[in-house]
Amino acid sequence: QVQLQQWGAGLLKPSETLSLTCAVYGGSFSGFYWTWIRQPPGKGLEWVGEVNPGGSTNYNPSLKSRVTVSVDTSKNQFSLRLTSVTAADTAVYYCARARMGGYDYGSLDVWGQGTAVTVSS
Amino acid sequence: SSELTQDPAVSVALGQTVRIKCQGDSLRSYYASWIQEKPGQAPVCVFYGKNNRPSGIPVRFSGSSSGNTASLTITGAQAEDEADYYCSSRDSSGTLVVFGGGTRLTVL
Repeated sequence: QVQLQQWGAGLLKPSETLSLTCAVYGGSFSGFYWTWIRQPPGKGLEWVGEVNPGGSTNYNPSLKSRVTVSVDTSKNQFSLRLTSVTAADTAVYYCARARMGGYDYGSLDVWGQGTAVTVSS
Repeated sequence: SSELTQDPAVSVALGQTVRIKCQGDSLRSYYASWIQEKPGQAPVCVFYGKNNRPSGIPVRFSGSSSGNTASLTITGAQAEDEADYYCSSRDSSGTLVVFGGGTRLTVL
């Protein structure tokens, strides 16, 4: 059973950089997109970006100038970096697995436990 | 704004069947995945792709798709199914991921 375990700083000041990491346990790392999603308080889910094991990325256009998703295949981990954070970036951030092929393409079938990130001065 | 549209709220009597819908142009090209979210808990995928139910998800959860509409059906809803449900798919270009705005399911 694949499990995603994530960690990172939960309290940031405006203009700082958000950094989160997600480790993949119990399953293949190849053949999937590794994804970050966030949920602001009281709001819906928002896709942030993704990376495949080869390092190819896709990002939400609204965040593209500030976001980097990277992968470390030697550790079966992937990471999120979001620069110049503001209060609007306050959210619970989730890592997730997205399937790559066939009819299941893009399906988000496994999720991490979430990390609450607060941006406040 | 979401490129996938969901009804904000749906209710169902205990033990009855409920269908939660998701509409969007991208669903003509890509199947949806359905995410269940309960307060204070991490989201859980309850159905995805053409016909896939993740391990541990009850068989009462099923999905279907027709044209620009994807549906999640709960056959014999239980009290523990009360939650927010989000649909998701690739966007029409296949490059990005989009979510619906979520449907709050109340089990009466």
